Amino acid sequence: KQEVTQIPAALSVPEGENLVLNCSFTDSAIYNLQWFRQDPGKGLTSLLLIQSSQREQTSGRLNASLDKSSGRSTLYIAASQPGDSATYLCAVPNYGGSQGNLIFGKGTKLSVKP
Amino acid sequence: GAVVSQHPSRVICKSGTSVKIECRSLDFQATTMFWYRQFPKKSLMLMATSNEGSKATYEQGVEKDKFLINHASLTLSTLTVTSAHPEDSSFYICSARRPGGGYTGELFFGEGSRLTVL
Repeated sequence: KQEVTQIPAALSVPEGENLVLNCSFTDSAIYNLQWFRQDPGKGLTSLLLIQSSQREQTSGRLNASLDKSSGRSTLYIAASQPGDSATYLCAVPNYGGSQGNLIFGKGTKLSVKP
Repeated sequence: GAVVSQHPSRVICKSGTSVKIECRSLDFQATTMFWYRQFPKKSLMLMATSNEGSKATYEQGVEKDKFLINHASLTLSTLTVTSAHPEDSSFYICSARRPGGGYTGELFFGEGSRLTVL
């Protein structure tokens, strides 16, 4: 059964720092991995989708990497800003589940202090 | 802009009443939509898979008579919480997959609906 773990559960950094969020998954047979952002009381905003054949994806100050063989992904945020404060979730498709629903980690709550 | 819209974003109801939450895909047709429930400090939990024109598939432990799902069109799925009780209070989020990516295409999520049952 696929399990997704995110470390750390919470992270507080001063504005301007570069930071890395970690995601690990137990079953390396994934189609892709998706990173989301969730603001308090809001839905999920898709940040990056990495296909299993890719090593990384970039969008602005965000860079996500994927190492399937080791079951790991990282989300790198450059030059963090207070507006980056949110919970970041990673998720992988449920290979044998309900038509490809996603299995989520518990998230990393990021706080960027001005 | 949002490609999946949920309504209402917040609802407060009395115990025993029923509440309907709508999920719409705005710029694509979705034959499959997913309904999740989110508990504080927990992972999103899949409740059911909504299939257009057929019965929803419920995950183990989710009461299908309690959480009625209807997917009557390719752009709309509804979740009705029947005879709601305080323990049903939660954040409910729907998602839809843009067609063409098989089961591995990107999933888009709604804004979520906060249900509070008094």
